[in-house]
Amino acid sequence: TQLLEQSPQFLSIQEGENLTVYCNSSSVFSSLQWYRQEPGEGPVLLVTVVTGGEVKKLKRLTFQFGDARKDSSLHITAAQPGDTGLYLCAGGRGFKTIFGAGTRLFVKA
Amino acid sequence: GAVVSQHPSWVICKSGTSVKIECRSLDFQATTMFWYRQFPKQSLMLMATSNEGSKATYEQGVEKDKFLINHASLTLSTLTVTSAHPEDSSFYICSARSGLAGGQKKETQYFGPGTRLLVL
Repeated sequence: TQLLEQSPQFLSIQEGENLTVYCNSSSVFSSLQWYRQEPGEGPVLLVTVVTGGEVKKLKRLTFQFGDARKDSSLHITAAQPGDTGLYLCAGGRGFKTIFGAGTRLFVKA
Repeated sequence: GAVVSQHPSWVICKSGTSVKIECRSLDFQATTMFWYRQFPKQSLMLMATSNEGSKATYEQGVEKDKFLINHASLTLSTLTVTSAHPEDSSFYICSARSGLAGGQKKETQYFGPGTRLLVL
């Protein structure tokens, strides 16, 4: 059982479209991180959200942390082929970090 | 800041040999380092957590005698795959977590670029 459920698992869209990826849990997390991983490379940190209701923007990416700190979303505006990759959400749980299964995004030119 | 390196980036070895992978935090002190394994098109699977100067904590199902972890300093952890077999072939990724010094957020992990191991 995944403590962090990500949806969708796979998404294939055309360049220019918008999309939202969700990360949900029944547990409260002190913080959530979003990472992007490209094939053959390690995950790269995109953002950390720590406050319930927090919204952070990173160029065309908008991250939101749920008010109850149990869920988060990542919205990409006008997706580009360079956004292709595996998007992972992760939550702090004591000394460990719990990872979601990931959303694999493919943006077609 | 918050750069983590791994060496080697890829390795091919014969079955039965041992392989050592290094993980270094280059610009911060990592009190905790993590080792993950990732199969193609899957998420990260935590293998073990290591704290500097103490024994690593292994996840259920991970053989501690098979995957030896040493965290001798605040900037270096090593994973040794002993008597490697083809089923050990995988992408191994380390990550490091620091305290609040240096501007890094305490609960954030910074990942290395990964090491691809192929056992023939």
